Amino acid sequence: ELKVEQNPLFLSMQEGKNYTIYCNYSTTSDRLYWYRQDPGKSLESLFVLLSNGAVKQEGRLMASLDTKARLSTLHITAAVHDLSATYFCAVDSRNSGNTPLVFGKGTRLSVIA
Amino acid sequence: KAGVTQTPRYLIKTRGQQVTLSCSPISGHRSVSWYQQTPGQGLQFLFEYFSETQRNKGNFPGRFSGRQFSNSRSEMNVSTLELGDSALYLCASSFSRTSNEQFFGPGTRLTVL
Repeated sequence: ELKVEQNPLFLSMQEGKNYTIYCNYSTTSDRLYWYRQDPGKSLESLFVLLSNGAVKQEGRLMASLDTKARLSTLHITAAVHDLSATYFCAVDSRNSGNTPLVFGKGTRLSVIA
Repeated sequence: KAGVTQTPRYLIKTRGQQVTLSCSPISGHRSVSWYQQTPGQGLQFLFEYFSETQRNKGNFPGRFSGRQFSNSRSEMNVSTLELGDSALYLCASSFSRTSNEQFFGPGTRLTVL
């Protein structure tokens, strides 16, 4: 059974600081996703990572994937208040017989001045 | 291009009742997945439909059922509602089962009293 673990689950960081959210998973993955969710809202797709060594960047967020270590990271650079949200990683490993999109518990990020 | 739509957006029911939620995928998308989000359990996969056939089912009791129509619209039904069924139900669509992106709808927030 595929398990996805995120840490930290809660993160309070000051504006302008850098931090990394980690996503570990237990079996091989076909795709790894990062999503953002604002309170009371749906999921917004941030990144899709397909292969080992994949790195994607959008603004202050950068995601990477290491399939050998079964680890993805979401790095936040010079955080701003607008980044406050909950971030989820999700792993799709249907080719390994798992159900689509197993989600981590999410990291609730709060950026404070 | 219109996004994924879900109706209704909010729903209040009482224990023992049943409920039907609807999801219209993005035009041209044939794969629809359903997820349940609760504070305690996080995001959990319910079903995946493609070409009117259920392709995957999560670990939920038989009270949860779904279907997909020929126009790719999908419905999910929950019978004999329990308090624990209170959740945000999210629908996601993708072009195919191997697509790299899933697009989430706004969700239906179900409250069971």
